[in-house]
Amino acid sequence: EDKVVQSPLSLVVHEGDTVTLNCSYEVTNFRSLLWYKQEKKAPTFLFMLTSSGIEKKSGRLSSILDKKELSSILNITATQTGDSAIYLCAVGPNAGNMLTFGGGTRLMVKP
Amino acid sequence: EPEVTQTPSHQVTQMGQEVILRCVPISNHLYFYWYRQILGQKVEFLVSFYNNEISEKSEIFDDQFSVERPDGSNFTLKIRSTKLEDSAMYFCASSEGGRGLGANVLTFGAGSRLTVL
Repeated sequence: EDKVVQSPLSLVVHEGDTVTLNCSYEVTNFRSLLWYKQEKKAPTFLFMLTSSGIEKKSGRLSSILDKKELSSILNITATQTGDSAIYLCAVGPNAGNMLTFGGGTRLMVKP
Repeated sequence: EPEVTQTPSHQVTQMGQEVILRCVPISNHLYFYWYRQILGQKVEFLVSFYNNEISEKSEIFDDQFSVERPDGSNFTLKIRSTKLEDSAMYFCASSEGGRGLGANVLTFGAGSRLTVL
């Protein structure tokens, strides 16, 4: 059975802190790893990673995949209260388009 | 920016009733999906739909569930006889599909919260 595990489960930081969120996976067929941000409702897409060692960056957020370790990290620098959300990691298979999600990391950024 | 729209945002129903959740995927997307998220739990895959037929489904998607694309824009999820444990947020999503890198990037709707009493 495919498995995606995220850590920590939750995190409370203050504005300006840097955070690192972790995702590890065990799947039969791997094609890509995706990060989503879930605030009140719909998960919104952040990054898709397919190759090891290549950092994807968007503003204060960045992410990297390690296929050897079967893991990925999501970094957020200079956190703001608007970064408070649940961050979801999902893995997409080699064939077909079903995503397997991790349980998420709930991030709270205090002013 | 194109978005996936879902209706209703919240539905309350009695156990045993039929519900239909509606979705309008992004117009040029080819794959459509339903996922659900029981309160406090993971987002779980239910079904994917391509070329007017189911392409994959999970164990959750039993005979009580069905999907349909009744016209060129809507994509519906029907639960025939709801159970208490069907209470969840149901997310519709769509993706470009195919073998390109965009295939796995799902765009999600805001969800339909189903409460079964």
